[in-house]
Amino acid sequence: DGGITQSPKYLFRKEGQNVTLSCEQNLNHDAMYWYRQDPGQGLRLIYYSQIVNDFQKGDIAEGYSVSREKKESFPLTVTSAQKNPTAFYLCASRRGLDYIGADTQYFGPGTRLTVL
Amino acid sequence: AQSVTQLGSHVSVSEGALVLLRCNYSSSVPPYLFWYVQYPNQGLQLLLKYTTGATLVKGINGFEAEFKKSETSFHLTKPSAHMSDAAEYFCAVSASPMKTSYDKVIFGPGTSLSVIP
Repeated sequence: DGGITQSPKYLFRKEGQNVTLSCEQNLNHDAMYWYRQDPGQGLRLIYYSQIVNDFQKGDIAEGYSVSREKKESFPLTVTSAQKNPTAFYLCASRRGLDYIGADTQYFGPGTRLTVL
Repeated sequence: AQSVTQLGSHVSVSEGALVLLRCNYSSSVPPYLFWYVQYPNQGLQLLLKYTTGATLVKGINGFEAEFKKSETSFHLTKPSAHMSDAAEYFCAVSASPMKTSYDKVIFGPGTSLSVIP
């Protein structure tokens, strides 16, 4: 089955540590996104990538970093510079604009990060 | 620039009653509009979307929404609520047409729907 996988589902981090959240998709989608979700708030865009080796900052990129070395993978690193990293993180992907249905984002199941 | 507002962060309905979740948008260009549903500790799932054509859009699980340009609204409805409809619902807007993948999708703050037996 095609889809987006995120791992781990739950992640605990000590203050001062960097952690990396995994996002993999086998949908052959070109674009990938990382969102942060806090209770009572909508989704806020952290980073997005249109193609391999290219990515752009979203609205709240400070304290985060990403890479896009493969089309299928878009890992997110939460660095120690992120002051309040406890949140639910969602990865999404979307087809290239030449395809029907390119307007729809597909989401992974999410990773809940807790800083201890 | 685009934005989305959802009136009511929490909505409660009785089982079998009408569900109405409100969404208003602001967009300087013709919008694409979406409704997503999120169950606890899960990702978002697309319920329905409006891109072009018919303004009344039918989605999964018996939900539908109507695009009203004059009111800049895209309210979500379901005639009869079921216990399984209890979830968080997000309205979203993006530019139409999407010229690049850098066209962002803007999400509303969400509405939590409770269904009372």
